[in-house]
Amino acid sequence: NAGVMQNPRHLVRRRGQEARLRCSPMKGHSHVYWYRQLPEEGLKFMVYLQKENIIDESGMPKERFSAEFPKEGPSILRIQQVVRGDSAAYFCASSPLAGGDNEQFFGPGTRLTVL
Amino acid sequence: GENVEQHPSTLSVQEGDSAVIKCTYSDSASNYFPWYKQELGKRPQLIIDIRSNVGEKKDQRIAVTLNKTAKHFSLHITETQPEDSAVYFCAASRQAGTALIFGKGTTLSVSS
Repeated sequence: NAGVMQNPRHLVRRRGQEARLRCSPMKGHSHVYWYRQLPEEGLKFMVYLQKENIIDESGMPKERFSAEFPKEGPSILRIQQVVRGDSAAYFCASSPLAGGDNEQFFGPGTRLTVL
Repeated sequence: GENVEQHPSTLSVQEGDSAVIKCTYSDSASNYFPWYKQELGKRPQLIIDIRSNVGEKKDQRIAVTLNKTAKHFSLHITETQPEDSAVYFCAASRQAGTALIFGKGTTLSVSS
């Protein structure tokens, strides 16, 4: 059973470009969470999605950031017009079913560097 | 919303000693408390978790205790080894299918 997959592992963008980060949850998991980790800091919740639904986006910046989890394919975190402050590690996690086990399994992360 | 405080931010111990990391949370509705270990440049990995209907849980050298009244929980590592060196994060959440709110992490260094 493959774990949570994220790609790319490293992404370099210039200010003003767009960044697209992909996350494929573990097989059988229908819940995806995105977290951001700034250098030497903890993980901050951004958004929680199920297939075709955003359940909780209370941690997402109001502008430039969006997320989706389509019926087919990976979840995508999109950052438009990136700025240097967006440089961070972005982790996604997946879990099985709501109402049951809340154990979240993390992917390897995408390290975004904005030049 | 939930707020999780974690102490200490750094902890240095000698191999074989015990290490204790403490966290407090603010939301009395939180009922799930996992601990993650993150090595440099790697993903966070769950090492142990506890739910609010249990006061203590052990897994070999690792144990977690929970005091719901005081709203704090602790990670205990006994007989520490150099490979225990990493950043440890505590977290809290209300229920399955909700966001984890993390503490800021504790950098544990075990010297041989």
